[in-house]
Amino acid sequence: AQSVAQPEDQVKVAEGNPLTVKCTYSVSGNPYLFWYVQYPNRGLQFLLKYITGDNLVKGSYGFEAEFNKSQTSFHLKKPSALVSDSALYFCAVRDGGNTPLVFGKGTRLSVIA
Amino acid sequence: GAGVSQSPRYKVAKRGQDVALRCDPISGHVSLFWYQQALGQGPEFLTYFQNEAQLDKSGLPSDRFFAERPEGSVSTLKIQRTQQEDSAVYLCASSLAGAKFFGPGTRLTVL
Repeated sequence: AQSVAQPEDQVKVAEGNPLTVKCTYSVSGNPYLFWYVQYPNRGLQFLLKYITGDNLVKGSYGFEAEFNKSQTSFHLKKPSALVSDSALYFCAVRDGGNTPLVFGKGTRLSVIA
Repeated sequence: GAGVSQSPRYKVAKRGQDVALRCDPISGHVSLFWYQQALGQGPEFLTYFQNEAQLDKSGLPSDRFFAERPEGSVSTLKIQRTQQEDSAVYLCASSLAGAKFFGPGTRLTVL
């Protein structure tokens, strides 16, 4: 069975500082990994994905994530946080094909001016 | 349209009422998914269609939940005899290949 863990319910960073939102996963086959962001009263917005290839994936709004197979992690990063990045972030995994995504519980990111 | 749309955006139902939630996927997207997101939780899978075929309904919590996509485009999620525990945001997503694109969701509140 697939599972995703986001160990931090909340992350707070100062504007301009780097941010990391952690995610670890468990999947039986090759992982397909995703990050989504959710703003209040809006649907999930796709940020980036890892399917295969380079372990460092670049996505929307300056975000990137690093796939680490040995640590089964896919942490989301951004070099310089913006106040507008404050939102709820979800990591998700599936084991290939068009199978359903399994989501983590989410991490609330607060960027303080 | 440019994205996935869902209607209504908000629905308040009295316990025991039936509700129907609509999803309009991105044109041409073969796959359609429904998820349920309870307050403070991540989305949880309900059911999946490929065209008009419902290939997986393992996430539907009870036989009060029913989904259809008769022409392989618009989908409807129906909940019969709603209960308070059905209160959640219901998200629809469509995909052609790779990443799924989510609609804004329908927030269902059962009183």
